[in-house]
Amino acid sequence: EAQVTQNPRYLITVTGKKLTVTCSQNMNHEYMSWYRQDPGLGLRQIYYSMNVEVTDKGDVPEGYKVSRKEKRNFPLILESPSPNQTSLYFCASSLFSGSSYNEQFFGPGTRLTVL
Amino acid sequence: DAKTTQPNSMESNEEEPVHLPCNHSTISGTDYIHWYRQLPSQGPEYVIHGLTSNVNNRMASLAIAEDRKSSTLILHRATLRDAAVYYCILNAGNMLTFGGGTRLMVKP
Repeated sequence: EAQVTQNPRYLITVTGKKLTVTCSQNMNHEYMSWYRQDPGLGLRQIYYSMNVEVTDKGDVPEGYKVSRKEKRNFPLILESPSPNQTSLYFCASSLFSGSSYNEQFFGPGTRLTVL
Repeated sequence: DAKTTQPNSMESNEEEPVHLPCNHSTISGTDYIHWYRQLPSQGPEYVIHGLTSNVNNRMASLAIAEDRKSSTLILHRATLRDAAVYYCILNAGNMLTFGGGTRLMVKP
């Protein structure tokens, strides 16, 4: 089944403890992206990747890192999480980069709480 | 960035058609109009997209005004499963900028 998977789905952690949220897609998509969703602020893009080893900042990149060593995986890294990074995170992918007509496929979300 | 304006919420009766409007008066010639929806406790889901012509797929229809400054997503027969937040987005090269969307409530 074509899908985007994220792990973990739920995570409670403490301030400063490094964590990684994994994202994987099995559709051979070029483009991958991370969003966070907060009440009243909607979905905002954190980082995106046009292809392997090509990543760039979205609208809210502060406090996050990403890497794209393989086409299928796009992990989101929080080196030193803070309470303001408590949010619902979504990974997404689409077939071609730079294309305005491709649909994006979203993962099921990761709910992160930083105490 | 070109922005979209949608009503905060709409209500519909089950089995009736629903017309969800979207204004995008600053759309550029290369922007595609995309619609996504987000069901409760799920990630956003692609619904439909178009550039200039009206589009139909198994989920919905998209009617685009001739001047492209507005569009309407049409659900032909709303079901309870269609209750969701619907986002109208102008897509320029993979960049999806989500606004507040329209929360659709479907009454049985």
